[in-house]
Amino acid sequence: DQQVKQNSPSLSVQEGRISILNCDYTNSMFDYFLWYKKYPAEGPTFLISISSIKDKNEDGRFTVFLNKSAKHLSLHIVPSQPGDSAVYFCAATNSGGSNYKLTFGKGTLLTVNP
Amino acid sequence: DAGVIQSPRHEVTEMGQEVTLRCKPISGHNSLFWYRQTMMRGLELLIYFNNNVPIDDSGMPEDRFSAKMPNASFSTLKIQPSEPRDSAVYFCASSLTAMSNQPQHFGDGTRLSIL
Repeated sequence: DQQVKQNSPSLSVQEGRISILNCDYTNSMFDYFLWYKKYPAEGPTFLISISSIKDKNEDGRFTVFLNKSAKHLSLHIVPSQPGDSAVYFCAATNSGGSNYKLTFGKGTLLTVNP
Repeated sequence: DAGVIQSPRHEVTEMGQEVTLRCKPISGHNSLFWYRQTMMRGLELLIYFNNNVPIDDSGMPEDRFSAKMPNASFSTLKIQPSEPRDSAVYFCASSLTAMSNQPQHFGDGTRLSIL
């Protein structure tokens, strides 16, 4: 039972355009969400997060949007750069739980073409 | 600053052998996590420690897997005996505390192949 789903295994965009990566979750107890970026042969690195008390969080070129009613979040990258080419993982957790645990999606491979 | 250090980076061994993966967390971090990444299941948490104490090992697949954290700067994940289905990339991560607003910092992983 996949509680965090990234339904697009891959996405290809042109340099300078917007990249939109999507993530859906099923567990209504999740209230904190994170995005990680992973390059080949490296570990995931933290990118940006959002609490369920917000619907948007922005950090430079990266913005995460949260739609709680739809149990959906998205990561926007504007403008996209070739160096953004990587696998992006969405993760979720219940921050109020006694057991801190991240549940990850399977990732979306983003390719930004020059 | 040194990040999370994992060793070895690659391990190839024969079925039935014991495998030990090692992790050195970031200094000062109190929480340590072991993950496994496979094509089928993605990135899944195996076990995590808080202040060297195992908190949740519900992700450990079976008794062949064990993890220890003898001190704040070292952890091991052991598989004995190993099987071909254990082939995966194993990641170790650490964070300041086990709280959601403390991002986890990952090592570069150990790619394990069991023949």
